[in-house]
Amino acid sequence: SYVLTQPPSVSVAPGQPARITCGGNNIGTNSVHWYQQKPGQAPVLVVYDDRDRPSGIPERFSGSNSGNTATLTINRVEAGDEADYYCQVWDSASDHHVFGPGTKVTVL
Amino acid sequence: QVRLVQSGTEVKKPGASVKVSCTASGYTFSGYYIHWVRQAPGQGLEWMGWIHPSTGDTVYSQKFKDRVTLTRDTPITTMELSRLESDDTAVYFCALAPPYTHYFNYWGQGSLVLVST
Repeated sequence: SYVLTQPPSVSVAPGQPARITCGGNNIGTNSVHWYQQKPGQAPVLVVYDDRDRPSGIPERFSGSNSGNTATLTINRVEAGDEADYYCQVWDSASDHHVFGPGTKVTVL
Repeated sequence: QVRLVQSGTEVKKPGASVKVSCTASGYTFSGYYIHWVRQAPGQGLEWMGWIHPSTGDTVYSQKFKDRVTLTRDTPITTMELSRLESDDTAVYFCALAPPYTHYFNYWGQGSLVLVST
């Protein structure tokens, strides 16, 4: 089955950009979606189809996807961005949905 | 607005089965899919399967296909997991995927299932 990799943690100072990567074999050929999850809450979709943002999600959140790596970038990080972030794809070969292991973003 | 409201906490013994429901409102059901995702304590998200509320069609993760059953009585969808083990202790979420998409733009609040002797 398709496997996604993410760094366990990313630390960033307020106002700086945070970049969270999601690795997978030829992931650039998949559509990648990103979720933010705060403790005790359900996940929230922040980027879908590699780079699109749902309504209500700040422009500070952006995505890219090419080759074997997709990236979620959070510009001008704020304390409220501290959360776990998960990437997700649909694997057409298995018709399964796959999540990455998650990245904990800590705002210093 | 779109809402997915799930049933409450369940405490079960190993070997038992559990049913978790998800009641949807605020959108036109046609074409949407309801997915189920679980999260063990301190762990990541794990996809379990989906059901098409209009047709009743289902797809299950290979990991769960022998133990999970998704049913619907629109607007309610139900996830039943059988032969529970302690490793099934988790928060179970239902999530909505719009037609012809593979992302989840609305989520239920989650239902805790605790498996313990």
